[in-house]
Amino acid sequence: GEDVEQSLFLSVREGDSSVINCTYTDSSSTYLYWYKQEPGAGLQLLTYIFSNMDMKQDQRLTVLLNKKDKHLSLRIADTQTGDSAIYFCAELNTGGFKTIFGAGTRLFVKA
Amino acid sequence: GAGVSQSPSNKVTEKGKDVELRCDPISGHTALYWYRQSLGQGLEFLIYFQGNSAPDKSGLPSDRFSAERTGGSVSTLTIQRTQQEDSAVYLCASSLGLSDTQYFGPGTRLTVL
Repeated sequence: GEDVEQSLFLSVREGDSSVINCTYTDSSSTYLYWYKQEPGAGLQLLTYIFSNMDMKQDQRLTVLLNKKDKHLSLRIADTQTGDSAIYFCAELNTGGFKTIFGAGTRLFVKA
Repeated sequence: GAGVSQSPSNKVTEKGKDVELRCDPISGHTALYWYRQSLGQGLEFLIYFQGNSAPDKSGLPSDRFSAERTGGSVSTLTIQRTQQEDSAVYLCASSLGLSDTQYFGPGTRLTVL
C-alpha cells in the first residue's frame, strides 16, 4: 500500500542548514509536498515538486527528488528559530484524490 | 478571499456528548476533506466531498462519525457519543478539484473528558 515515512525529530543550530528526509512507496505519485505546522496552527503549504522534476528552489528552501529511490528531501538554508515546527511530507498519486502524509518531522532550532 | 476557516478552534466536551465541527472552504473549491491528527501522530484521512457526488466515507473510524456538506460549501463533521479516544485536532482542507493541492484550515482541537 501507499506509505510515506519520515524521521520524527531533527535538531539544528541557528544559522546551520536543515535537511529533512522523506521516503515514499507509490511510484505513481504526481506531486510531492512539504507542509509546515507551527504550534497550535493548521498545515501551511510550504512548497511542492512535480514528479518529473529533480529539484526546486524557493528562497531558503530547496527540494530534491530522487524518483528512482523514492526519496524526497527539504533543505532549509540559514535555519532560524522561526523555522521550528513540524514538517510533513505528502504525496498525491495519479490514481485518485488521496494525499498521503508522513507522520511529520519535528524541527528544533537551537539559538 | 480568505483561506479555509474552522470553528470552534477549541472544544472541550464530556464523554458521551455529541459535537459538531464546522469547516468553511476556500470559495470556489469543489473538494473538501476532513483529517484527524492525534497527539504525536500524522494525519489520518476521514472523509472527502467532491462537488455534488456522494462523499467517500472510507476513512471514518466508526459509525459515530458523520459529515455533511450543504450547498457544496460549508461542511459539518459530527461525532456522536464522544469517547476519550476521539480527542484530537480535526483538520479540514479544500482544493480546487480532487487532484489539486489541498489548503488546510487551522483545525479544531477536541478534548473529550
